[in-house]
Amino acid sequence: SQTIHQWPATLVQPVGSPLSLECTVEGTSNPNLYWYRQAAGRGLQLLFYSVGIGQISSEVPQNLSASRPQDRQFILSSKKLLLSDSGFYLCAWSVQGQETQYFGPGTRLLVL
Amino acid sequence: GQQLNQSPQSMFIQEGEDVSMNCTSSSIFNTWLWYKQEPGEGPVLLIALYKAGELTSNGRLTAQFGITRKDSFLNISASIPSDVGIYFCAGPGGTSYGKLTFGQGTILTVHP
Repeated sequence: SQTIHQWPATLVQPVGSPLSLECTVEGTSNPNLYWYRQAAGRGLQLLFYSVGIGQISSEVPQNLSASRPQDRQFILSSKKLLLSDSGFYLCAWSVQGQETQYFGPGTRLLVL
Repeated sequence: GQQLNQSPQSMFIQEGEDVSMNCTSSSIFNTWLWYKQEPGEGPVLLIALYKAGELTSNGRLTAQFGITRKDSFLNISASIPSDVGIYFCAGPGGTSYGKLTFGQGTILTVHP
């Protein structure tokens, strides 16, 4: 069966510090991968998606970047965090050509 | 772009009551998905609908794909405290890479 992992689960970082959040998927090959941000426990905002290794598309302009160094690994990064980067970050995957997405457990990021 | 209107935004009910929420789209969908998100966790897929008029159950949950293909309904019967969470509807985002459009969510609170 497929599983999706995210770490860390919680992160507190000072403004201006770098960020690296990791997401890995097991039990499937060549998935579509997605990064979402959720503020205040509502609405999911799609940040990035990837249809393959090294292929990243951004949905909204922002302070963050994403990379996919391996087929089942998706990384969310920032060189300098802003207060507004605080939120709940969710990684998700789907089978190529299918709409159903499966979410990871999320990372709670607090920028102080 | 495509938009989903989900209602109600929140519900406060007594244990044992039935719950009904719905989602409407500005365009025709060929898939409707319903997710539940518990506090501090990632959304979990509850029910997927693929055919207009389809009625699918998952325990006490029942979801329907509207006949017009522009709406969907989720019902929870005999609610219990563990039904607490945010319920999201989602449908295809009109792209080739599996992007989803999400409703804003219905926050459900169940009083024992």
